Amino acid sequence: NAGVMQNPRHLVRRRGQEARLRCSPMKGHSHVYWYRQLPEEGLKFMVYLQKENIIDESGMPKERFSAEFPKEGPSILRIQQVVRGDSAAYFCASSPARDGNTIYFGEGSWLTVV
Amino acid sequence: AQRVTQPEKLLSVFKGAPVELKCNYSYSGSPELFWYVQYSRQRLQLLLRHISRESIKGFTADLNKGETSFHLKKPFAQEEDSAMYYCALWGGSYIPTFGRGTSLIVHP
Repeated sequence: NAGVMQNPRHLVRRRGQEARLRCSPMKGHSHVYWYRQLPEEGLKFMVYLQKENIIDESGMPKERFSAEFPKEGPSILRIQQVVRGDSAAYFCASSPARDGNTIYFGEGSWLTVV
Repeated sequence: AQRVTQPEKLLSVFKGAPVELKCNYSYSGSPELFWYVQYSRQRLQLLLRHISRESIKGFTADLNKGETSFHLKKPFAQEEDSAMYYCALWGGSYIPTFGRGTSLIVHP
């Protein structure tokens, strides 16, 4: 089992560009979480998805951010018109079921906005 | 609402000294509590969970429902313990809540 795979590991974008971060969950896992880790801050929940369904996006900024988890393929976190404040590490995690109580993290995607 | 508080952003100790990373939680039901560790720019890894009552890498944590705490302890810190430690709570919500993390630095 390859674990939770995230790519790219590092991404540099200029202000105003779009960033797309991908997450492939562990085999057999149908639930995906996205967290953001800002410098000097902890881990902030963004969105929780099941295949083809957004279950909870209460932590997602209302503007410019969106997430999807299609029936086929990885989950994608999309940030449009990036700003310097979006620079952070974005972690994806997966779990096998909605009420599973252990989640497994990917290695993160580090976004730098210049 | 569920909340996890890690009061210390940074904890600095010398090798061989005891370590206690504090975690307090707020939850009205019976929570499940976890500690995750993140070594430099790597993924978060599950360190231990309270229901298993195990010791991993010399770390232990006891759930104290009276004090709503789940402090992480190790009697003798090692340099390789230097990392970021996150306390997490899994309550009625299907979304685990993480504390802000404590950075542990163990000096030689």
